[in-house]
Amino acid sequence: GQNIDQPTEMTATEGAIVQINCTYQTSGFNGLFWYQQHAGEAPTFLSYNVLDGLEEKGRFSSFLSRSKGYSYLLLKELQMKDSASYLCAVLVISGNTPLVFGKGTRLSVIA
Amino acid sequence: IAGITQAPTSQILAAGRRMTLRCTQDMRHNAMYWYRQDLGLGLRLIHYSNTAGTTGKGEVPDGYSVSRANTDDFPLTLASAVPSQTSVYFCASSEGEGLDNEQFFGPGTRLTVL
Repeated sequence: GQNIDQPTEMTATEGAIVQINCTYQTSGFNGLFWYQQHAGEAPTFLSYNVLDGLEEKGRFSSFLSRSKGYSYLLLKELQMKDSASYLCAVLVISGNTPLVFGKGTRLSVIA
Repeated sequence: IAGITQAPTSQILAAGRRMTLRCTQDMRHNAMYWYRQDLGLGLRLIHYSNTAGTTGKGEVPDGYSVSRANTDDFPLTLASAVPSQTSVYFCASSEGEGLDNEQFFGPGTRLTVL
């Protein structure tokens, strides 16, 4: 079966750094996505990791460890507009569905 | 049209009725997807299409059908709606034929089945 775990909610302070974790157990692995979704809006793409390591894109970085079934999204210099849900999704090689999303982590940035 | 659009924005439907949710993209993307999003369950893939003329089943395909007659359109049909299909439905598209591409999402359709 497919299982993706993320914390349900997190709170962080404006200007700080926050790390959102995602662990997965899936039947095969092809890559991992991170999406951002503001309340009442559609998801928007943040990153896609296939190989182990850290990929940086501005204030956002994404890390993957395939051997540990683990990824994290790192947000630096937090801004109020970063308050949103962050969705982890795994692309699998086989199974009933090719793409499985976690339930998302709702991040609240406070002053 | 710019990007990906969905219609209707919202709909209230009686159980047992047939309903088609429309999705159109003007980016000439190869792949298209339908998701439903429910509180506490996250996004779940219903059906997808790698390219015009092909479709595939996602995680929760039962009760839904799709067709991909051309590149731009990917309608989702509920043949006989049930209350458990009350949800927010998102359509998405991506440039390549594989699912390992950035997906662009439409604004969503909020469907209520009574």
